[in-house]
Amino acid sequence: KQEVTQIPAALSVPEGENLVLNCSFTDSAIYNLQWFRQDPGKGLTSLLLIQSSQREQTSGRLNASLDKSSGRSTLYIAASQPGDSATYLCAVTNFGNEKLTFGTGTRLTIIP
Amino acid sequence: GAVVSQHPSWVICKSGTSVKIECRSLDFQATTMFWYRQFPKQSLMLMATSNEGSKATYEQGVEKDKFLINHASLTLSTLTVTSAHPEDSSFYICSAYRVDEQYFGPGTRLTVT
Repeated sequence: KQEVTQIPAALSVPEGENLVLNCSFTDSAIYNLQWFRQDPGKGLTSLLLIQSSQREQTSGRLNASLDKSSGRSTLYIAASQPGDSATYLCAVTNFGNEKLTFGTGTRLTIIP
Repeated sequence: GAVVSQHPSWVICKSGTSVKIECRSLDFQATTMFWYRQFPKQSLMLMATSNEGSKATYEQGVEKDKFLINHASLTLSTLTVTSAHPEDSSFYICSAYRVDEQYFGPGTRLTVT
């Protein structure tokens, strides 16, 4: 059974700093991995999707990497802003399965 | 493109009553939709997979007679919480599957008093 863990569970950093969020998964036979953002009381916003054949994806100040063999992904946020404050979730899909398995989430607070 | 809506966005009901939540894919057809629930400060837990024209597949531990799912068309899936109790209070989120990706609705906050 796939298990997805995110470390740290919570993170506070001053505005302007670069930061890294971590995601690990137990079954490396993934089809893709996705990073989401969730604001309090809201639904999910998809940030980046990495296919299993890819190593990284970039969107603006966000860069997600994938190391399938070691079961890890990182989300790098450059020049953090207060508007980046949210919970970040990673989720994986395994081959032959449309289901997403979500990680435990990292609650990020950017201090102005 | 790939917009998913949910209705209502929030609902309060009395214990023992039933509540229906709708999930619609607005600009694409989805043969598969998913229903999740999320408790405060926790991650999303998959409840069931909804397939158009067939019975839903429920995850282990989810009561299918309590959480009725109907996927009547390629753009609409409904979740009915029957005989709701306070412990059913939660945030319910649906997603619609298209081309290797799930697109999520904005969620429905259910409070059972």
